[in-house]
Amino acid sequence: EAGVTQSPTHLIKTRGQQATLRCSPISGHTSVYWYQQALGLGLQFLLWYDEGEERNRGNFPPRFSGRQFPNYSSELNVNALELEDSALYLCASSLSGLRMETQYFGPGTRLLVL
Amino acid sequence: GESVGLHLPTLSVQEGDNSIINCAYSNSASDYFIWYKQESGKGPQFIIDIRSNMDKRQGQRVTVLLNKTVKHLSLQIAATQPGDSAVYFCAEKGGGATNKLIFGTGTLLAVQP
Repeated sequence: EAGVTQSPTHLIKTRGQQATLRCSPISGHTSVYWYQQALGLGLQFLLWYDEGEERNRGNFPPRFSGRQFPNYSSELNVNALELEDSALYLCASSLSGLRMETQYFGPGTRLLVL
Repeated sequence: GESVGLHLPTLSVQEGDNSIINCAYSNSASDYFIWYKQESGKGPQFIIDIRSNMDKRQGQRVTVLLNKTVKHLSLQIAATQPGDSAVYFCAEKGGGATNKLIFGTGTLLAVQP
């Protein structure tokens, strides 16, 4: 069974540009989560989507947004990129939105903002 | 942010020894805990989880212990192997409607051959 997949693996942008990151969950999973892993800051929760709806967002500005498609894949958009947005962006999926469901992570997209 | 990481703690062990990685969690209302392993350049890999109504859970070569009194979680790895070298994160799921995971700072496990 394929795990969580993310694309692209690497992305280089300049300040002020927009970035779009994509995630495909494990087959059958309906919940998708986005986390940011910046150097020295650990993993921080960004967004949670379940059944096509945004359920929760972390302490990030509105220029971080996303959506979930009918096939449960998801997209993270970062507008007006800043240098400090450089990080590894991780997507995770779980079978459902129930609390005790394990989140399984993809390999991440490494975003570099110049 | 809720996860603060400055200097990554490091645990160095000899191959074949047992490893114990510790984690202090923040929220007494947290009811679900997960240990992840992250190798360089890869995403976190699920190792084992435990619910707050348990104090111990065993997997293959791994055991997680939960002490809710002092808000402490530990991961024990038996007969540590070079392939166990990675950064290990504990994560907690707090109370309320959110499913977000709050991650600890991570511990680097270095296995010496």
